[in-house]
Amino acid sequence: QKEVEQNSGPLSVPEGAIASLNCTYSDRGSQSFFWYRQYSGKSPELIMFIYSNGDKEDGRFTAQLNKASQYVSLLIRDSQPSDSATYLCAVGGGGADGLTFGKGTHLIIQP
Amino acid sequence: NAGVTQTPKFQVLKTGQSMTLQCAQDMNHNSMYWYRQDPGMGLRLIYYSASEGTTDKGEVPNGYNVSRLNKREFSLRLESAAPSQTSVYFCASGWDRRPTDTQYFGPGTRLTVL
Repeated sequence: QKEVEQNSGPLSVPEGAIASLNCTYSDRGSQSFFWYRQYSGKSPELIMFIYSNGDKEDGRFTAQLNKASQYVSLLIRDSQPSDSATYLCAVGGGGADGLTFGKGTHLIIQP
Repeated sequence: NAGVTQTPKFQVLKTGQSMTLQCAQDMNHNSMYWYRQDPGMGLRLIYYSASEGTTDKGEVPNGYNVSRLNKREFSLRLESAAPSQTSVYFCASGWDRRPTDTQYFGPGTRLTVL
């Protein structure tokens, strides 16, 4: 069974610093990797997706993928208090339908 | 565009009661999904529909049934609710079943079974 692992946190980061969120996955056949942000009581909101090894940047967010190590990360530069949320890593492909989600990392940006 | 909508937002049931959770999307997506989210368990796939007229089981289908009424609507039915089904239910949609497909989520239904 496909597994996606994340440190549950909380991860506390000072405002303006870089927040680094990590995720590992078990299925080597996985093909797509997504980061969702979820505020308390709200639904997951897509931040970024990445399919190829390397880095992908979108504004303050950078997703990094290393398929050999089965590792995906999300960097948030210039962290803001509004970035405080739970970040969900999700993996697609590898023979399973739908997405397999990690349990999420709770990020707290301290003003 | 409303995106993905879900009704109701909140529901309290007694054990053994039945109910249907409704989901609709206006993005002309082919695939639709039902997930449940429990504390400490993350999001888990209940059922999905790759296209109109087809449905398939996900990771945790027991106790649920689904209907893909048309391209826009995908409902989830609890025939005899149990306390273990207390959860937040999210509907999602995407263009297709390809692994690279992005899924977009509705606002969720918070269900409590007493």
